[in-house]
Amino acid sequence: EPEVTQTPSHQVTQMGQEVILRCVPISNHLYFYWYRQILGQKVEFLVSFYNNEISEKSEIFDDQFSVERPDGSNFTLKIRSTKLEDSAMYFCATRGQGEETQYFGPGTRLLVL
Amino acid sequence: TQLLEQSPQFLSIQEGENLTVYCNSSSVFSSLQWYRQEPGEGPVLLVTVVTGGEVKKLKRLTFQFGDARKDSSLHITAAQPGDTGLYLCAARESGTYKYIFGTGTRLKVLA
Repeated sequence: EPEVTQTPSHQVTQMGQEVILRCVPISNHLYFYWYRQILGQKVEFLVSFYNNEISEKSEIFDDQFSVERPDGSNFTLKIRSTKLEDSAMYFCATRGQGEETQYFGPGTRLLVL
Repeated sequence: TQLLEQSPQFLSIQEGENLTVYCNSSSVFSSLQWYRQEPGEGPVLLVTVVTGGEVKKLKRLTFQFGDARKDSSLHITAAQPGDTGLYLCAARESGTYKYIFGTGTRLKVLA
């Protein structure tokens, strides 16, 4: 069964450093999402991406965040200058055309020290 | 901002009991999903409901979407310890690409 994959599974970084989180969507899916989940809290929407551009973003998704699909395959989330409060699980999700269901990847656990 | 409220937040029951978890909002949604999430892992899809009043069954789990597409319930019959986990509802805001998640119900089934 097709699945969404994410790399790395864990990342530890120093405050102020840049991180790039990667996602490989299900092959024929066209809608891509990033979510984050701070430990013990609910899953929060960050951004949706369709047709090579951001379709919606939340107030969390400020100028420190960016997304792109550099090679038509990977979908990346970049955090330019990480802060302590960016520590969380980051989930990628993808959705097919005409479908309502999102499928989630296993997540990247980011720890900012 | 639209909100999805789940109740109860925590539920501890004995094996063999039945339970119902609720997901409520004042907003109308295009669709609603139920997921189950294990610690440190991504949400795993259980079901998607789209039509108001729709009922779907997945073995011992029964899902219902409210007639007005504002709420949903998950009913588990004869709960087993393997049902232990965090149950999340998520819904797509009408006219948007955005999905919001509920606060979650943490279920523990005791043997």
